[in-house]
Amino acid sequence: DTGVSQDPRHKITKRGQNVTFRCDPISEHNRLYWYRQTLGQGPEFLTYFQNEAQLEKSRLLSDRFSAERPKGSFSTLEIQRTEQGDSAMYLCASSPGQLANYGYTFGSGTRLTVV
Amino acid sequence: AQKVTQAQTEISVVEKEDVTLDCVYETRDTTYYLFWYKQPPSGELVFLIRRNSFDEQNEISGRYSWNFQKSTSSFNFTITASQVVDSAVYFCALSEFEGGSEKLVFGKGMKLTVNP
Repeated sequence: DTGVSQDPRHKITKRGQNVTFRCDPISEHNRLYWYRQTLGQGPEFLTYFQNEAQLEKSRLLSDRFSAERPKGSFSTLEIQRTEQGDSAMYLCASSPGQLANYGYTFGSGTRLTVV
Repeated sequence: AQKVTQAQTEISVVEKEDVTLDCVYETRDTTYYLFWYKQPPSGELVFLIRRNSFDEQNEISGRYSWNFQKSTSSFNFTITASQVVDSAVYFCALSEFEGGSEKLVFGKGMKLTVNP
């Protein structure tokens, strides 16, 4: 297992288009997180899955954003009707358990540019 | 709500210098966890350390050391004898537990440049 994989690495899209990102966590990691990082800022929490259940969504996640984790394996993050403010790095992380015992393992991220 | 402050935004040093990265946090939790991550230019966040609120012992790992002081709500990170490969953005993060879920709250990061 080579870690958390994210695809694509880069995405350029026109404003108003829909985009979808994929995250493949480390096998058997039941927890999966999506974060967004804008230039010069730290990552900000978007949403969290435990297995296939989406347990929390940030207020940053507007109605245009949706995330899924079917069968508790890979996850997708979709942004509909993209806006220029959506331009950011989207990071996925996974963990085998609680923060009390583990840190996250992050992927390399998907950099989204909305033009 | 949790808050993490990394007051320094950017530091530039010459190779072999020691450098300390400051992190101050705010929390109402009695049990919490602090983390440091490194983000090289490739973009991937690399886990460096996790520390729980009950363990105030300082930790050393090679050229890296961490000083956790609950009294001042600080969790500072020192790199001894810095190397060019240490150039990266470093993030301090704090656990947040809310509504049955948990996540990390990150500081804004500190960009370290180590010049040869």
